[in-house]
Amino acid sequence: DADVTQTPRNRITKTGKRIMLECSQTKGHDRMYWYRQDPGLGLRLIYYSFDVKDINKGEISDGYSVSRQAQAKFSLSLESAIPNQTALYFCATSDPGDGETQYFGPGTRLLVL
Amino acid sequence: GQNIDQPTEMTATEGAIVQINCTYQTSGFNGLFWYQQHAGEAPTFLSYNVLDGLEEKGRFSSFLSRSKGYSYLLLKELQMKDSASYLCAVSRSGGSYIPTFGRGTSLIVHP
Repeated sequence: DADVTQTPRNRITKTGKRIMLECSQTKGHDRMYWYRQDPGLGLRLIYYSFDVKDINKGEISDGYSVSRQAQAKFSLSLESAIPNQTALYFCATSDPGDGETQYFGPGTRLLVL
Repeated sequence: GQNIDQPTEMTATEGAIVQINCTYQTSGFNGLFWYQQHAGEAPTFLSYNVLDGLEEKGRFSSFLSRSKGYSYLLLKELQMKDSASYLCAVSRSGGSYIPTFGRGTSLIVHP
């Protein structure tokens, strides 16, 4: 079984809708992250959490919010989706003892119409 | 801030050797990662260099020069399955050690 899972894997939504992307991990890591990937722009950090009570904005947090429900779960919400949020979204985990090597989930492909 | 540069695209022949370069400018440098990402899939970890020098891992090797702000990933005996994007990422002490990713190099291996 995969160590980091994401649901849904694909999602089509309309402008203005609220959607949630979910991430679960069995690696036992405290640190979790959300990234988006756009062609030509690489991976950009949206939010990160170093433990259940810790939430931090990343490079591009506007239009997004997150919730860390448990050590193993970290969800990303788009309160009112817009077309330029169409992207590939990845969740990741890391451990400081491992140099913060990022372990990625399989990704969620989101299309906002 | 950080500036990470790597070529956008490279092509190579099956069985050959290819070197993918990455240059960076950052304060508080801690280490440099290389990831492989096949189209539509998640990035997977290849290597992590903290000290200067070459680290070899099978067909893949990674080199780091901290003083020059330079790294390369060397792929030997190229196979068709090596066609993928290769992402360079830099971590620094001032950024909670969270890696910042370059835009990636798309490698196309042809027969």
